[in-house]
Amino acid sequence: DAGVTQSPTHLIKTRGQQVTLRCSPISGHKSVSWYQQVLGQGPQFIFQYYEKEERGRGNFPDRFSARQFPNYSSELNVNALLLGDSALYLCASSLALVSGNTIYFGEGSWLTVV
Amino acid sequence: DAKTTQPNSMESNEEEPVHLPCNHSTISGTDYIHWYRQLPSQGPEYVIHGLTSNVNNRMASLAIAEDRKSSTLILHRATLRDAAVYYCTRSSNYKLTFGKGTLLTVNP
Repeated sequence: DAGVTQSPTHLIKTRGQQVTLRCSPISGHKSVSWYQQVLGQGPQFIFQYYEKEERGRGNFPDRFSARQFPNYSSELNVNALLLGDSALYLCASSLALVSGNTIYFGEGSWLTVV
Repeated sequence: DAKTTQPNSMESNEEEPVHLPCNHSTISGTDYIHWYRQLPSQGPEYVIHGLTSNVNNRMASLAIAEDRKSSTLILHRATLRDAAVYYCTRSSNYKLTFGKGTLLTVNP
């Protein structure tokens, strides 16, 4: 069975541009979360979606947005990119809301902003 | 958000047990404890999780203190493939809260 898949794996953007990252959860999983991981730090929570509704939002500016589609896949959008947005963006999926469920991460999308 | 506290690094020898500690003194009664490990340039890999009772799976064991303010991940026989950054996280209803993790080095 396929795990959590993310695309693209690597990308380079210029300051001020916009980026869209994509995530397909494990089959049957209805919850998708997004995390940002900068070098040397643990992942930081950005968003959680469950049944196509936003259920949680981390401490990130409004330049960050996301959505979940009827097939439970998800997109993360970041507008007006800053150098500090350079990071590994991770998608995670679980059967339902986080709590006691097993949460699986994808391999991430490496974003470099120049 | 209250994060978990782990030692920055630990070292072990191959085929010996490893005990990775974690403090989560402000954990709430409904927060689960999850452990992940991460290799360079890869996403975090799920290891184990639990609420109150000790948990075992094919990868590791998780020992949770009775007051739930700390826990220990136990690798019963370390291998070179276990070298990674290990994250102890706490989960609320909708998110995992990560600390900086412990870099585990395994010596042959």
